[in-house]
Parts: sequence; structure tokens; C-alpha cells
Amino acid sequence: AQRVTQPEKLLSVFKGAPVELKCNYSYSGSPELFWYVQYSRQRLQLLLRHISRESIKGFTADLNKGETSFHLKKPFAQEEDSAMYYCALIYGSSNTGKLIFGQGTTLQVKP
Amino acid sequence: NAGVTQTPKFQVLKTGQSMTLQCAQDMNHNSMYWYRQDPGMGLRLIYYSASEGTTDKGEVPNGYNVSRLNKREFSLRLESAAPSQTSVYFCASSEYYEQYFGPGTRLTVT
Repeated sequence: AQRVTQPEKLLSVFKGAPVELKCNYSYSGSPELFWYVQYSRQRLQLLLRHISRESIKGFTADLNKGETSFHLKKPFAQEEDSAMYYCALIYGSSNTGKLIFGQGTTLQVKP
Repeated sequence: NAGVTQTPKFQVLKTGQSMTLQCAQDMNHNSMYWYRQDPGMGLRLIYYSASEGTTDKGEVPNGYNVSRLNKREFSLRLESAAPSQTSVYFCASSEYYEQYFGPGTRLTVT
């Protein structure tokens, strides 16, 4: 069965420190993975998608099929990065794709 | 464009009462979804609709019904609310891989 696991409920770092938000998945097919972010009082929105291999707001994530991981990284955290981050896996076809979300990790960046 | 809108923003129900959560999107998307968000559980899919006239169950459909009224609107109905349905409910829509979310409805069942 498909599953997404984010082992940390809360990650607290100081401004300027590196950040790594962990995500592991279980999926029998070829996975398509995403990171969504929810800033305070804003809607949940897409941060990045593994296929695009983009860097958004300084964040990157690499799909590691051997370790079944899709960790989100940023070399230098900013206070405005404080938010709830969700890792998600799409299943079904992309255009009707249902998402399975991890439990979410709250990132707190302290000044 | 308003994107995805949801009404109401907040609701308090007594056990056994019924209500309908409304969702509309103005992006001409085919697919629409209802999720619930609970602490420590992330978002879980309740129902989805791949296109107008079709609906299907997600991970946690028990206690809910949905209607895809037209391409724009997708409603979620609680026929007999239970305290376990206390949650934040999100509607989303998509055309391809990216889902666009509404602002959420915070529902408390006492």
C-alpha cells in the first residue's frame, strides 16, 4: 500500500542554519512526489515537484529511489520559511491524481 | 480569479445534526477533492471527482456524501455529524498534477 512518512512533527532551527525536512515513501509503482507548504493564515500551496527538479525559494528535493526518500533541503534557513510542510505522493493518473500526504512537519526558524 | 472558495469558514454542530460544506472553483478544472486535516494525521482524502458527473471514495469516506453539481461546484455532506468529524476540511481542484486548495472550513461537532 502507498504511504508517506514524515518522522518529525517539529523542526526548530536558527536563521542561517541548514534545513532538512525528511520524507520517506512506500509505493509499488514509479513515484511522483511533491512538497506542499502552508504558511500561517495562507492556503496550502505547491512548493516543488520532483520531476521538475527546480529550486523554489532556495529549497531543493531529490528523489532517492534506493532509500525511498524525498527529503526537502535548504542551505540557509530564513524566518519567512517558518510554516507547515507536507510531503505528498500522487497515485492514479496525473490528471485525476489523488494525493497521499505525510503527517506534516512544522518548521520553526528562530531569529 | 478567486480560485477555490469554500463556505462556511467556521461551523459548530451538535452530534446528529447535518450540514453541507460548499466548494466552488473558477479555474475550469476537471478534478476536485475533499480532504480533512487532523493534527498528526496530515491531510486525508475523503472523496474526489475526476470530472463532472463522477465521484469516488478516498481514504476516509465513511460518514460523508458528496455531489458534483456541475464542473464548478463540489459539495460535501455530513448526514449525522459525530464528534470524530471535528476537523478542518479542505477542498481542492486540479487539471494536471498541481492541486489548488481552498481556505478551509473549521468544523467542530459537540
